[in-house]
Amino acid sequence: GQQVMQIPQYQHVQEGEDFTTYCNSSTTLSNIQWYKQRPGGHPVFLIQLVKSGEVKKQKRLTFQFGEAKKNSSLHITATQTTDVGTYFCAGREAGGSYIPTFGRGTSLIVHP
Amino acid sequence: EPEVTQTPSHQVTQMGQEVILRCVPISNHLYFYWYRQILGQKVEFLVSFYNNEISEKSEIFDDQFSVERPDGSNFTLKIRSTKLEDSAMYFCASSETGASQPQHFGDGTRLSIL
Repeated sequence: GQQVMQIPQYQHVQEGEDFTTYCNSSTTLSNIQWYKQRPGGHPVFLIQLVKSGEVKKQKRLTFQFGEAKKNSSLHITATQTTDVGTYFCAGREAGGSYIPTFGRGTSLIVHP
Repeated sequence: EPEVTQTPSHQVTQMGQEVILRCVPISNHLYFYWYRQILGQKVEFLVSFYNNEISEKSEIFDDQFSVERPDGSNFTLKIRSTKLEDSAMYFCASSETGASQPQHFGDGTRLSIL
């Protein structure tokens, strides 16, 4: 079955440093979603990417979808303590289930 | 902004008992979901529900589990004969149309099986 892998599992950064998490699927995706889960909270939808090579920005967050639609990345510029949380990608397999498969997530810890 | 609400926030139950977790999806949403997240692990899909029936379910969602929409607003997950390994956070989510649309998650119910 489809597997969605995320690396790294944890990332410690100093406030102001950049952060990137990578998501890789074993199969081609029709779309990919990104969610953020604060400690003790629930996943909150951030963005959805659909097109090959698509790049979207939300303030300091940049999301990319690979040309082959099998990988994606989330980059945060100049992290702040409010960025702390776990970032999950969730990919929907092309031609497969309508339900996206979540990656394990990358937990971001920002040190002031 | 409309929210998905879940009750209770924490449920403690003896092993072997049945539990019912409740959710009120966002009112104009048509698709509903249950997910499970064991502490520190990823979000795992259990089941999706549309038009008063299950549309998809995962391997986790076996005969121990059932879902119901008993009225126009509530969406419930029943877990029978609970086991220790059922201890997890259970999230309800809803989306306006299909699962390719953003899913809105509730705050979750923390289920602790003793």
